[in-house]
Amino acid sequence: ETGVTQSPTHLIKTRGQQVTLRCSSQSGHNTVSWYQQALGQGPQFIFQYYREEENGRGNFPPRFSGLQFPNYSSELNVNALELDDSALYLCASSSVGLAGNEQFFGPGTRLTVL
Amino acid sequence: AQRVTQPEKLLSVFKGAPVELKCNYSYSGSPELFWYVQYSRQRLQLLLRHISRESIKGFTADLNKGETSFHLKKPFAQEEDSAMYYCALVSSGGYQKVTFGIGTKLQVIP
Repeated sequence: ETGVTQSPTHLIKTRGQQVTLRCSSQSGHNTVSWYQQALGQGPQFIFQYYREEENGRGNFPPRFSGLQFPNYSSELNVNALELDDSALYLCASSSVGLAGNEQFFGPGTRLTVL
Repeated sequence: AQRVTQPEKLLSVFKGAPVELKCNYSYSGSPELFWYVQYSRQRLQLLLRHISRESIKGFTADLNKGETSFHLKKPFAQEEDSAMYYCALVSSGGYQKVTFGIGTKLQVIP
């Protein structure tokens, strides 16, 4: 069984740029969620995708967008980067939604915005 | 709005002492509650979910709807329990939202 993988591991961008982060779900999972974790904070839910459609969203502006592909891999896109976007971005996959179901987390992508 | 509160950022206990990590929540519907743990240099992973009512690594957690709490307990702490613990709430319904607490660092002193 292949676990959740994320790429890249680290990324440095400048303010105003755009970034794309990638995630491969665990085998057999059809739901992926993205989280932002700032230093010293818990993960903050960005959104969830189920069968290629957004199925839940946290309090993040529209410049945070996502995609889920037929193979259940996913992308997180952030436009017009701001300094406060610097954080660890976590991807998690699960089967058939979140309620009652375990999420399997990836190692994260560390984004630094200068 | 849903909210998860973990009042202690750091909890230090001696090995063999009881442990209680507090979690209170605010949610108008029927929540799904979880405890996730992150050991040093490892990924975040599920420890417990309230619907399972199971004991994992000696830890238990009971959902108390009257007190809106989901505290994590273990009668005798072990050194390998030292980790970050996060309480999480998943909203019910088709369009879901997840809220994590800020986390509590458990430090078990030998």
